[in-house]
Amino acid sequence: DADVTQTPRNRITKTGKRIMLECSQTKGHDRMYWYRQDPGLGLRLIYYSFDVKDINKGEISDGYSVSRQAQAKFSLSLESAIPNQTALYFCATSEAGSKNIQYFGAGTRLSVL
Amino acid sequence: SQQGEEDPQALSIQEGENATMNCSYKTSINNLQWYRQNSGRGLVHLILIRSNEREKHSGRLRVTLDTSKKSSSLLITASRAADTASYFCATGPTPSNTGKLIFGQGTTLQVKP
Repeated sequence: DADVTQTPRNRITKTGKRIMLECSQTKGHDRMYWYRQDPGLGLRLIYYSFDVKDINKGEISDGYSVSRQAQAKFSLSLESAIPNQTALYFCATSEAGSKNIQYFGAGTRLSVL
Repeated sequence: SQQGEEDPQALSIQEGENATMNCSYKTSINNLQWYRQNSGRGLVHLILIRSNEREKHSGRLRVTLDTSKKSSSLLITASRAADTASYFCATGPTPSNTGKLIFGQGTTLQVKP
């Protein structure tokens, strides 16, 4: 089984709909991250969390919200989806410490029509 | 804005040849990492080089770091068709406890059999 699991893997939704992307991990890591990837733009950080009570905005948090329900679970919500949120979304985890090597899920491909 | 800039953006070589990709960054770093992404999949960590190291090897991978020029290179020797993927550099900024990585835009490598 994958250490970092994202659900769903693919999602098509309509403009204005609320959607939640979920991430769970079995690595026992405290730190979790949400990124989006667009062609030619690399990965951009949306939100990150260092523990259950710690949530931080990343580079592009507008239009998104997150919830850290447990150490192992970190979900990303789009309250009212818009077409320019069509992208590939990745969840990642890391241990606390200076190395910060990140472990990624397989991604969720989201299309907003 | 993205800190890492990679070049070339795309590289096409024959199997058996060496592939070199470069990464430049803007601010002080704690470490620099390289990740690999197969098409549409999650990123996988390849190698980490600390700011006080100049060169590191792992199998067919060789990474160099020049902090005076704020640049790094990844060399893949004796490339194989299975090395076809996108490669991203990611910098861990100082102070190291920020817990964030800043990803470059990536180099897409195609290895022709």
